[in-house]
Amino acid sequence: QKEVEQNSGPLSVPEGAIASLNCTYSDRGSQSFFWYRQYSGKSPELIMSIYSNGDKEDGRFTAQLNKASQYVSLLIRDSQPSDSATYLCAPRTTSGTYKYIFGTGTRLKVLA
Amino acid sequence: DAGVTQSPTHLIKTRGQQVTLRCSPKSGHDTVSWYQQALGQEPQFIFQYYEEEERQRGNFPDRFSGHQFPNYSSELNVNALLLGDSALYLCASSLDPGNEKLFFGSGTQLSVL
Repeated sequence: QKEVEQNSGPLSVPEGAIASLNCTYSDRGSQSFFWYRQYSGKSPELIMSIYSNGDKEDGRFTAQLNKASQYVSLLIRDSQPSDSATYLCAPRTTSGTYKYIFGTGTRLKVLA
Repeated sequence: DAGVTQSPTHLIKTRGQQVTLRCSPKSGHDTVSWYQQALGQEPQFIFQYYEEEERQRGNFPDRFSGHQFPNYSSELNVNALLLGDSALYLCASSLDPGNEKLFFGSGTQLSVL
């Protein structure tokens, strides 16, 4: 079992719809959670961070965290074709290190 | 304000050769991490440098080594290249080792033939 699990997709949604991306993790000690967006052939870009249970909203993005269920999600409202990318979930490990463990990523396709 | 810069952009090598990749961190950042991303896979942590020392290391063989210079720039060296080393090599910088926000460079695409 991988430390961070994501559905690889592709997840296809129509323009204007809500895209829901999910991630589960195995390290119960993880305290910080990050979502990176990676366009094809480009490097990852940080788009959201969340540290506490509940929701965190930033523009069209909402991150949701449930530490008891070891689950984190990213909602993208009013999806645009420019949102088409791979979204990487990255919990921050707490085993005395500061490295990220990235999930395999979910490829999102927003259909115009 | 320059972001993270990496060179070269692309590189082609043959098996058994050695390669050096370079990275300059974002202005004000003193910590550099290197990641390997194979096609269609997630980035895998190689190692992190801070104060010119390797602070943490992922599950990579000793063929992978690095260096950090006094100006915080960094090099990644890979010896005895294997076909499986073909990947996008990403450099990421942060304000310090504990800072959670990584800023990635555009990467070096390494092809091993």
